[in-house]
Amino acid sequence: DVKVTQSSRYLVKRTGEKVFLECVQDMDHENMFWYRQDPGLGLRLIYFSYDVKMKEKGDIPEGYSVSREKKERFSLILESASTNQTSMYLCASSQGQWLGEQFFGPGTRLTVL
Amino acid sequence: AQSVTQLDSQVPVFEEAPVELRCNYSSSVSVYLFWYVQYPNQGLQLLLKYLSGSTLVKGINGFEAEFNKSQTSFHLRKPSVHISDTAEYFCAVTPLRGNNNDMRFGAGTRLTVKP
Repeated sequence: DVKVTQSSRYLVKRTGEKVFLECVQDMDHENMFWYRQDPGLGLRLIYFSYDVKMKEKGDIPEGYSVSREKKERFSLILESASTNQTSMYLCASSQGQWLGEQFFGPGTRLTVL
Repeated sequence: AQSVTQLDSQVPVFEEAPVELRCNYSSSVSVYLFWYVQYPNQGLQLLLKYLSGSTLVKGINGFEAEFNKSQTSFHLRKPSVHISDTAEYFCAVTPLRGNNNDMRFGAGTRLTVKP
């Protein structure tokens, strides 16, 4: 079974802090994604990566950056956390450019005070 | 670009009753369609998917969905729900060709099954 793990289930940070969210997948998938989930808005794509060191902006990249130094690991960085970044963050991975199925991690609920 | 509309944000239903969660999509190209389920405090799990072939797709936990191209719909159904089906359900669409980074999700439908 595909397994996508995220470093933290719950995280509380203060405004202005630098925040790292880590995601690891164990199925050698090329593609990795970071989404933000908010009530009534569904999932919105922040960034995705289709290869090591490659990244593309999604729909809401402002205030975020990403890093993919190894194929299995994709990090989301909040350079200076703000209260409007309080949300659930979901990482996903997928194989190639066909079928479209994405496999999700359990999510990190981030609260910025 | 694609978009997805889930017509009901919340659906309360009694145990053992049938349920339908509605999903409509908009796209200028052919698409793949998905339903994901999110149980409380968990990530999303694939329930079923439509890629091609039969328009009636069966998934896990007794769910099924029917692709209707003329109505651009992909409604999810279950003939008899259980308490354990209480969760949030997301419809998603991605184009047949191109990067699957272009997956669009609906806003979600919260299904609450009452005893």
